[in-house]
Amino acid sequence: QKEVEQNSGPLSVPEGAIASLNCTYSDRVSQSFFWYRQYSGKSPELIMSIYSNGDKEDGRFTAQLNKASQYVSLLIRDSQPSDSATYLCAVNSGAGKSTFGDGTTLTVKP
Amino acid sequence: GAGVSQSPSNKVTEKGKDVELRCDPISGHTALYWYRQSLGQGLEFLIYFQGNSAPDKSGLPSDRFSAERTGGSVSTLTIQRTQQEDSAVYLCASSLRGGGAMYEQYFGPGTRLTVT
Repeated sequence: QKEVEQNSGPLSVPEGAIASLNCTYSDRVSQSFFWYRQYSGKSPELIMSIYSNGDKEDGRFTAQLNKASQYVSLLIRDSQPSDSATYLCAVNSGAGKSTFGDGTTLTVKP
Repeated sequence: GAGVSQSPSNKVTEKGKDVELRCDPISGHTALYWYRQSLGQGLEFLIYFQGNSAPDKSGLPSDRFSAERTGGSVSTLTIQRTQQEDSAVYLCASSLRGGGAMYEQYFGPGTRLTVT
């Protein structure tokens, strides 16, 4: 079992829909959770961090964390074609190094 | 402010040659990370520095790979006797510190290494 697992996708949604990206992790002592966006041919870009159970909203993005279920998700409301990218989930258990999932590729169709 | 910078942006080398890749982190960031990403693949962790020390070198794939960081700032990743399987994008990231919210990593643009 991988330490951080994401649906490999690809995930395709129509423009204006809600895109839901999911991530599960195996280390129960994980403390910090991150979502990165990576456009094709570019480096990852941090878009959300979440540290406490519940929801955290930033514009069209909402991160959700459930430590009991070892689950973190990213919702993108009103999806735009410019949101088409690979989304990476990263988890940190306080040891300095974050563990990244393999990413979910999202395509938003006009 | 300035982000993470890496040089060169592209490097083509012949099999068997040594290469050096450079990373200049965001000013004030004490933690620095090296990753490798092959085409269409996820991030492969290589090494993590806190200050000048490397508490985690577990990701270095072989003894041909080494990295150092001097003055708590610039880091160099060296690959000796390059092989074709070393071809990938090498990404560097930095974070403010190695704890709590300070684990947010900011990535450089990467160095694309091609071994012919």
